[in-house]
Amino acid sequence: EDQVTQSPEALRLQEGESSSLNCSYTVSGLRGLFWYRQDPGKGPEFLFTLYSAGEEKEKERLKATLTKKESFLHITAPKPEDSATYLCAVRELPSQGGSEKLVFGKGTKLTVNP
Amino acid sequence: NAGVTQTPKFQVLKTGQSMTLQCAQDMNHEYMSWYRQDPGMGLRLIHYSVGAGITDQGEVPNGYNVSRSTTEDFPLRLLSAAPSQTSVYFCASMSSGWTSGANVLTFGAGSRLTVL
Repeated sequence: EDQVTQSPEALRLQEGESSSLNCSYTVSGLRGLFWYRQDPGKGPEFLFTLYSAGEEKEKERLKATLTKKESFLHITAPKPEDSATYLCAVRELPSQGGSEKLVFGKGTKLTVNP
Repeated sequence: NAGVTQTPKFQVLKTGQSMTLQCAQDMNHEYMSWYRQDPGMGLRLIHYSVGAGITDQGEVPNGYNVSRSTTEDFPLRLLSAAPSQTSVYFCASMSSGWTSGANVLTFGAGSRLTVL
């Protein structure tokens, strides 16, 4: 069972059409939830970190929110340059004898058409 | 700042050949890691290091070796390449304070490896 599940896998929007991406997680001890943006042929680029339920972060047209079981990345009035794959990752408390790790979801590929 | 630099950007190998993917960072980050990214699989952790001289296995370590002799460098070695190792590899680093939950990974641009 995946610990981090992102939906939808792909999303096509018209310019200006707002929507949300979902990241649900099942880790027991959350130490942070991260959103990254990845453009084709490039490495992921950090967007936000959220630590506790109810927390929100904003950057331009993007707003990330967190509940106890999921996070949403809201995109308001998107532009074609927002087209990218958006990755969610969670950092969890280690199990006994283990080490902290960052677990990534498979991503949502967003396409914004002009 | 250059950030995280990976070389080569592209590489084609034949089955059984060996090679090393290089990763260097100039941010004095204690933590460094290697991920592979495959279609439909997301990013999977191969190996990581919390400081010079310390390495540990991630989710998919088989077929890969790492070492960390300096803070700046974290090479990934494939001793006998297999077609299943065809992938895009990312190196990422982070400042110390992993347990604080406050730091984030900075990724390199990636190395695309094809094993024939």
